[in-house]
Amino acid sequence: GAVVSQHPSWVICKSGTSVKIECRSLDFQATTMFWYRQFPKQSLMLMATSNEGSKATYEQGVEKDKFLINHASLTLSTLTVTSAHPEDSSFYICSAGQGVDGYTFGSGTRLTVV
Amino acid sequence: AQSVTQLDSQVPVFEEAPVELRCNYSSSVSVYLFWYVQYPNQGLQLLLKYLSGSTLVESINGFEAEFNKSQTSFHLRKPSVHISDTAEYFCAVSESSGGSNYKLTFGKGTLLTVNP
Repeated sequence: GAVVSQHPSWVICKSGTSVKIECRSLDFQATTMFWYRQFPKQSLMLMATSNEGSKATYEQGVEKDKFLINHASLTLSTLTVTSAHPEDSSFYICSAGQGVDGYTFGSGTRLTVV
Repeated sequence: AQSVTQLDSQVPVFEEAPVELRCNYSSSVSVYLFWYVQYPNQGLQLLLKYLSGSTLVESINGFEAEFNKSQTSFHLRKPSVHISDTAEYFCAVSESSGGSNYKLTFGKGTLLTVNP
């Protein structure tokens, strides 16, 4: 089946630094990937839709200059949290797939900003 | 736009008991429906889905869900749960027309806790 690899699985960074999270589709090509943020014991909130070769589409309220998304190839999308602050600490999850079949999710990245 | 309501945030049950996790949705267009399961500190895994055809869909590990269009529901059931079923369960919908690239809208999740 479809496999989505997300890296790193956890990261701790200092306040003010930037962190990059990778999302790879291992055995299929993904023209569209999604990035979610999940707060403790809450649902997934869609942050943005990543489109290969074009700009990402951000959901209302998501700062595009803070959460930079790059989808340079059909198998890789990256999310960069710029100038991270403690309030950016969260669980970030990407997904990719074949649309009508539902999406395959990465294993998530736990970001802690200290 | 769609919305998903999972009526129970937590459902505690005893092992081998039946369970039902409720999901209702709202949409002005036709939808596809999904149930995902999330174990601690992991991503989501697709449990089952309804796209078309038979309104009763089943997963390989004994869960089933029934699409009820008139009641706009997609409740998840299992006749006998195991300790290993303890997890967070999310109901989700997407537009069947492919609008927004089949973007998923999630419910808030139901924590199923199976006690011995």
